Amino acid sequence: ELQLVESGGGLVQPGGSLRLSCTASGFRFSNYDMNWVRQAPGRGLEWVAYITTSGSDIYYADSVKGRFTISRDNAKNSLYLQMNSLRAEDTAFYYCARDFGVDPSAFDIWGQGTMVTVSS
Amino acid sequence: DIQMTQSPSTLSASVGDRVTITCRASQSISSWLAWYHQKPGKAPKLLIYKASSLGSGVPSRFSGSGSGTEFTLTISSLQPDDFATYYCQQYKTYSRTFGQGTQVEI
Repeated sequence: ELQLVESGGGLVQPGGSLRLSCTASGFRFSNYDMNWVRQAPGRGLEWVAYITTSGSDIYYADSVKGRFTISRDNAKNSLYLQMNSLRAEDTAFYYCARDFGVDPSAFDIWGQGTMVTVSS
Repeated sequence: DIQMTQSPSTLSASVGDRVTITCRASQSISSWLAWYHQKPGKAPKLLIYKASSLGSGVPSRFSGSGSGTEFTLTISSLQPDDFATYYCQQYKTYSRTFGQGTQVEI
């Protein structure tokens, strides 16, 4: 079964840091570009970050640029999101999502999400 | 960034109804458009990609059309399982953007 499983969410104070992980199974992880997408409670979807198969190309949403870092370890079938200088507005469910094809693409596989709450 | 605008924001419908949702891009995105639906507490699911191609395992009552800046998602006969929130997404650029969502409710 094609599957993505996120972990690492939790409660963190403003200004703090958190590292999210996403573990893939059922497909050759190293062949696919990957993304993080977030959804604040009761709100819509917001793309956060993108990384190519080798990690050579990375893009971020302006709202997280300079604070978040996306990375991957193909040997461990894992995707990561290091989140620093967290703000209340970063509170959201965070999903990892697989790019469907080459270049920018739709997201065909999503994880179940992990909740990040930024609050004092 | 390319802005995506959906209409309507909320749609009331009944089982068996034909439903259409519109998505407009702030600039041409050719056919680089996807549609997803999302149920409460669940991850989004891909319905349509490249404006009109059906995702894997997606029922044929779903269809997509359009190119450039105007796109539509049509559900030919609404089923109970289709009551959800629908999102369009452009992927012409690496900075993928979503529409604000359309909630389909009874």
